[in-house]
Amino acid sequence: IAGITQAPTSQILAAGRRMTLRCTQDMRHNAMYWYRQDLGLGLRLIHYSNTAGTTGKGEVPDGYSVSRANTDDFPLTLASAVPSQTSVYFCASSDSKRSTDTQYFGPGTRLTVL
Amino acid sequence: GDSVTQMEGPVTLSEEAFLTINCTYTATGYPSLFWYVQYPGEGLQLLLKATKADDKGSNKGFEATYRKETTSFHLEKGSVQVSDSAVYFCALRGSGSARQLTFGSGTQLTVLP
Repeated sequence: IAGITQAPTSQILAAGRRMTLRCTQDMRHNAMYWYRQDLGLGLRLIHYSNTAGTTGKGEVPDGYSVSRANTDDFPLTLASAVPSQTSVYFCASSDSKRSTDTQYFGPGTRLTVL
Repeated sequence: GDSVTQMEGPVTLSEEAFLTINCTYTATGYPSLFWYVQYPGEGLQLLLKATKADDKGSNKGFEATYRKETTSFHLEKGSVQVSDSAVYFCALRGSGSARQLTFGSGTQLTVLP
C-alpha cells in the first residue's frame, strides 16, 4: 500500500508558467486536502474536497485551482505561477465520515518559482 | 476563527533530557487536537491525538493531555533520543464543513548525543 503519492518531488518553474501538482491516494478516503508549508507559518489549507465531484476553498486559495474527478486523484493547478507561490506543497487525505478521522500526508512537492 | 499558538523554537536538548513543547489553541466548540511530526525531507506523520477534554494521547513515549480549562495541549517526553530530532506541529480540527486542520507554526527540535 503506497498511501499518498505526489509528483513531482521538486520543480523549478518560471513565473507565468502553468503547473499541475499531482496527488493520488489508494486508501479510498473520501476527503482530500492541499496545504502549503512556509517557514514560520506552519501549514495552511489551499483547497479541499469532501468527496469526488466537490471542492472547497481553504485559507489561501488565490492563484490555485483543484478538481476531483474521482476518489483517488486530487490535482492542484497553478494557472500562472508567481514567486510568492514558492513553497512546499503537501497533499493529505482522510476518511472524514469517521468522527475521529486522521489526515494522512504525502511526501510533498518542493516548488520554486523564479 | 480557529488558531493554534505553539512554542517557538528551535529547541536544542541533550539526549535523555525532558521535553516540553507548549501549545495553546483558540476554537469554538470542541475541537480535536493533534501533534504531527515531520522528519527531515519527509511529510507529516501523526504522532498522537485527543478528541475530548481530559483525553491523553500517547505514542512512542510522547504524551499530551487535552486541557479545556487552559485551552492547551502541551507535548511531553521524559527522555528524548537523537532520533526524535524533527519539527513538531500542534494542530486542531474544528467542526466546520472542511474538517481542515489548523496548524501551529512548528517547533524544530534537535537532540544532541
